[in-house]
Amino acid sequence: KQEVTQIPAALSVPEGENLVLNCSFTDSAIYNLQWFRQDPGKGLTSLLLIQSSQREQTSGRLNASLDKSSGRSTLYIAASQPGDSATYLCAVSSGGSEKLVFGKGMKLTVNP
Amino acid sequence: GAVVSQHPSWVICKSGTSVKIECRSLDFQATTMFWYRQFPKQSLMLMATSNEGSKATYEQGVEKDKFLINHASLTLSTLTVTSAHPEDSSFYICSARGGDTTNEKLFFGSGTQLSVL
Repeated sequence: KQEVTQIPAALSVPEGENLVLNCSFTDSAIYNLQWFRQDPGKGLTSLLLIQSSQREQTSGRLNASLDKSSGRSTLYIAASQPGDSATYLCAVSSGGSEKLVFGKGMKLTVNP
Repeated sequence: GAVVSQHPSWVICKSGTSVKIECRSLDFQATTMFWYRQFPKQSLMLMATSNEGSKATYEQGVEKDKFLINHASLTLSTLTVTSAHPEDSSFYICSARGGDTTNEKLFFGSGTQLSVL
């Protein structure tokens, strides 16, 4: 059974710092991995999707990497801003399935 | 990007009543939609997969007679929580794959916070 872990559960940093968010998964036989952002009481916004054959994806100040063999992914946020404050979720799908297994998320607070 | 609209965004109801949540794909057709549930400080958990024109597929431990799913059209799926009880209070959220067959991202609705008194 696939399990996704995100540590730490929360992080508070001053504005401007470069951040690394971690995600680990137990079964390396994944189809893809996706990072989401969730704002309080809101839905999820897809940030980046990495296929199992890819090593990384970039979008603006965000960069996500995938090391399938070690069961890890990192989300790098450059020059963090208060508007980046949200909960970040990591999710994997396995074996071509559309089902996603989510981590519990990491609550990020960027202080001005 | 694709837009998924979910309604209502929050609902408070008395124990024993039924609550219907709608999930619509606004600018694309979704043959498959997914319903998730999130309890406080827990992961989003898949409840069921909604298939247009056929019965939904439920995850283990999810009561199909309690959580009724109807996917009558390519743009609408509904989740009805029947005879809701306080333990059903949770954040329910739907998702659908983007209309582009090469786009494997899942797009989520804004979620529904259900509180059962």
